[in-house]
Amino acid sequence: EVQVVESGGGLVKPGGSLRLSCAGSGFTFSNAWMNWVRQAPGKGLEWVGRIKSKPNGGTTDYAAPVKDRFTISRDDSNNRSFLQMNSLKTEDTAVYYCATGDAIDIWGQGTVVAVSS
Amino acid sequence: QLVLTQSPSASASLGASVKLTCTLSSGHSSYGIAWHQQEPEKGPRYLMKLNSDGSHSKGDGIPDRFSGSSSGAERYLTISSLQSEDEADYYCQTWGPGAPVVFGGGTKLTVL
Repeated sequence: EVQVVESGGGLVKPGGSLRLSCAGSGFTFSNAWMNWVRQAPGKGLEWVGRIKSKPNGGTTDYAAPVKDRFTISRDDSNNRSFLQMNSLKTEDTAVYYCATGDAIDIWGQGTVVAVSS
Repeated sequence: QLVLTQSPSASASLGASVKLTCTLSSGHSSYGIAWHQQEPEKGPRYLMKLNSDGSHSKGDGIPDRFSGSSSGAERYLTISSLQSEDEADYYCQTWGPGAPVVFGGGTKLTVL
């Protein structure tokens, strides 16, 4: 079965850090571009960023609100992608989804990140 | 700037058809998009990818009632024979090799 599973969410204070993990299975992970998408409470989907496959350079792209605070990485040997979130703000509170596929056709179930004092 | 515009809400009666629209910003009418469905309290579900020429391919298990089409900068999702379980939020998202990823604001579909 093709799937991605997120983990690592939780409650963190403003200014703190959190690292999310995404485990992929059922597909050739090393060829996949891994995306992170978030959804704040009551709001729509917001693309956070992505990491390309190593054959495509392994480079990263980020949305403006998280650039310079968030970092996406990958460990192809363990079929995992990571989202390192630093300098967290209350407005980063959201469900964070890992997603991949040609047209972002594979979605995880999401992990909740709450930033609050 | 690449922007996808969707109407915030739509409604149609049980058994009827509805056509949702996603409009690409000026200068970006060649982009393909993907449609996703999000039922209340659930994660997004991929429906289909839709090219600028109207050709589309659906995800596994997506009923024939869901179809896509294109005209200029507009991309459409048509749902026929509406069922109660189709009541959900629908999002469009840019798609294509190396294309920037942008989501529309979503359309909340109510089945009357």
